Order: sequence, then structure tokens, then C-alpha cells
Amino acid sequence: GAVVSQHPSRVICKSGTSVKIECRSLDFQATTMFWYRQFPKQSLMLMATSNEGSKATYEQGVEKDKFLINHASLTLSTLTVTSAHPEDSSFYICSAENGGTGELFFGEGSRLTVL
Amino acid sequence: GQQLNQSPQSMFIQEGEDVSMNCTSSSIFNTWLWYKQDPGEGPVLLIALYKAGELTSNGRLTAQFGITRKDSFLNISASIPSDVGIYFCAGPPSGGSYIPTFGRGTSLIVHP
Repeated sequence: GAVVSQHPSRVICKSGTSVKIECRSLDFQATTMFWYRQFPKQSLMLMATSNEGSKATYEQGVEKDKFLINHASLTLSTLTVTSAHPEDSSFYICSAENGGTGELFFGEGSRLTVL
Repeated sequence: GQQLNQSPQSMFIQEGEDVSMNCTSSSIFNTWLWYKQDPGEGPVLLIALYKAGELTSNGRLTAQFGITRKDSFLNISASIPSDVGIYFCAGPPSGGSYIPTFGRGTSLIVHP
């Protein structure tokens, strides 16, 4: 299947700092990528839809100024958690849809811990 | 919003047993996707279903797209310890959106 790579896999930061997470589609072009947040033992919660060359579409309740999404190319989307606080600690996962098939491929996830 | 009901929530079985889990929706789906997620990792696609009634296998895994397009099941035969993980159903509901909805997951524990 298609490969999506996410980096970093783990990050620990101090409260008030910003953290950037990258999501890359390695062997296909993705006009649309999705960002999820997952709490322990829960399902994936969609945060936003990242569209190449345009603004991201955020789900209700997700602060767009808090979670900045940039999709500058067909293979890269970034999620920046700005002024992170301990409650932002979570597992963040990206996914990309491959070529109109409806199949979503996920990155490895990024574990964010805010101290 | 769209709801996907996935059951059971968790399963504790002995190695060698067969497993069955299912998802139902309040509306029609165009595609059903089944994923497995290991702790600390992203979900991995197991099986994708595109047509009502479709039955697809991937090794010991078999999944079916329900005739009504509102449900799907995943079976695992002769379970082994490495089958442990959380299984999610997902799919984009009909209506042209690619944004998928996810079930709550089924946590599978296999005792050797």
C-alpha cells in the first residue's frame, strides 16, 4: 500500500512553546490530507482537512489559530501546535487519501507531551 | 453528525479462536475500510470494500460490505497473539465527501 511518513514520532516540549509535526506522502501525491487527534483507548478524532494550496477546513471545536495547518505541496502537510499547553498532550496522526480510491493511509503518529 | 456503531468494544479470546466484529451506520456508505492499530502507532489498512455484498479476504482476515450498504463485518480466523490490537472500521458516507467516519474501535486481546 501507499506510504505516509510522519515526523517526529515523539516530542516533549515546555508549556508555551510551539511544535511542528510533518506528514509526507512518500510514493503518491495527496491533494488532501487529514489530521487526527487520539486520546488513550479512544477512536480517532478528526481535527481538520488539509487541502493543498488552500486553507485547511477545521472541524467544529478545533481552534484554527491553535492548530496551524499548512499544505504547501502535494506530498507535505504540517501541523503546528502553537503555544502548547499540557492539555494539548496527545497522539496526533495524519492520513492521506490515495488517488480517488477512498483508501486512507496513515502516518506512524506523533506523541506530543507538553510539560 | 455521522455515527458508526462498532461492536464489540473489546474481546478477550484464546489463541486459535475465530473473531468477529461489525460496524453499522445510520446512513449509506460508499466504501468500508478496516484498520488495525498497534499501541503507539498509526492505523494500518487491512481491507477495503467498495461494493455492496463484496466479500474480501486478506490472509486470515475476511470482511464483507453489507447488502444494505449500512454495515460491514470483519472476521479473523485462527487468531494468534500478534492479532492483538485495536480494530477500526471507517468509511466515507455517501454524498461525495471523502472525509471518513471512524468507529470507536474493537480492542482484541488474544491469550496464548
